[in-house]
Amino acid sequence: GQNIDQPTEMTATEGAIVQINCTYQTSGFNGLFWYQQHAGEAPTFLSYNVLDGLEEKGRFSSFLSRSKGYSYLLLKELQMKDSASYLCAVTDSNYQLIWGAGTKLIIKP
Amino acid sequence: ETGVTQTPRHLVMGMTNKKSLKCEQHLGHNAMYWYKQSAKKPLELMFVYNFKEQTENNSVPSRFSPECPNSSHLFLHLHTLQPEDSALYLCASSQEGGQGHQPQHFGDGTRLSIL
Repeated sequence: GQNIDQPTEMTATEGAIVQINCTYQTSGFNGLFWYQQHAGEAPTFLSYNVLDGLEEKGRFSSFLSRSKGYSYLLLKELQMKDSASYLCAVTDSNYQLIWGAGTKLIIKP
Repeated sequence: ETGVTQTPRHLVMGMTNKKSLKCEQHLGHNAMYWYKQSAKKPLELMFVYNFKEQTENNSVPSRFSPECPNSSHLFLHLHTLQPEDSALYLCASSQEGGQGHQPQHFGDGTRLSIL
């Protein structure tokens, strides 16, 4: 079966750095997405990786290793507004999006 | 503002009621999606419409009936729901369905509670 694994919950301190991991086992691979979802709000697109390596966008970076079936989202200089759930999703060989259950990130002052 | 608007935001209904959820996108996209989001579970894809044609029905019970009159509007008609159907229902759109690199844009969802 197809599976996306990410931690259920993480806690970090304001101003610090946090890395949210995502591992996947899917039938084929056509890209990996990260979304942010604040409580009661829509998921919003953060990043897309299809090639190995690191993609940086301001305070957020996303890394992909296709050979390891592994990605991480790196958040730097954490702010209280970064408290949210972070969803990892992989596009399989049929271009279907397979979703993880999300990681709830709690930022403490 | 994501460009995708869902109404109502909250809905409480009895198991014998009939109601509809509405989604409208202002992004000029050609694909629209319905998802079910339950606590601590992955998003469950329910239906996909690409250029107004249904291209995906993920074994969804017939008590959920989608309708896509045009590329900008999507409805989910609800009838005789069960308590386990209580969840957040999310609508999304993308430029075109079946394109692995295109992100989906989501609405804020309808929080549905079945009594």
